Amino acid sequence: GAGVSQSPSNKVTEKGKDVELRCDPISGHTALYWYRQSLGQGLEFLIYFQGNSAPDKSGLPSDRFSAERTGGSVSTLTIQRTQQEDSAVYLCASSFSWVPSTDTQYFGPGTRLTVL
Amino acid sequence: QKEVEQNSGPLSVPEGAIASLNCTYSDRVSQSFFWYRQYSGKSPELIMSIYSNGDKEDGRFTAQLNKASQYVSLLIRDSQPSDSATYLCAVKSIRGGSQGNLIFGKGTKLSVKP
Repeated sequence: GAGVSQSPSNKVTEKGKDVELRCDPISGHTALYWYRQSLGQGLEFLIYFQGNSAPDKSGLPSDRFSAERTGGSVSTLTIQRTQQEDSAVYLCASSFSWVPSTDTQYFGPGTRLTVL
Repeated sequence: QKEVEQNSGPLSVPEGAIASLNCTYSDRVSQSFFWYRQYSGKSPELIMSIYSNGDKEDGRFTAQLNKASQYVSLLIRDSQPSDSATYLCAVKSIRGGSQGNLIFGKGTKLSVKP
């Protein structure tokens, strides 16, 4: 079946503009995660959804970042007033659930965001 | 502070040899452990999950978990040049309000020389 898909694959924007990144998880997966990976850095957790609710927003780096998930499927990560330090690869992952043995996370190809 | 530690490498092994990758973690209550492979410019690709103490084998890959020592390892037998990549150890966080995010090590870069 289809894996996790993300769009756009690349996004170049100017400082101060808003951007929206989209994630379409594997069909049937209830849990959805956003991470980001800056150049040469490790993966940093941003936010997690179980169904449409986000019980853990602890990783969002500032109030410029928000995310939503509708219909238990597609999620959108929005970054307002982008800054140069927001430049990174934004990765989405999904898992069947968060229960051990069904919690394997599968990653999408990522969106490379460049803020000029 | 929950942490996952890996040697950054690079780890260089000859083709056909066994590559051994190690990882330690700080959260004693963690139950789910993963190894991902990441090629340059690509997203992480799952190699293996492990939940119980002991060994788990899948083809040329063997994951080992020792919860008492808070240690996870990955062995790659008969290493191939195509195995050259960064290997990420990940541990699922389950404390507090966090019920699912992975905490990643910074990765070990493996180079398999023909």
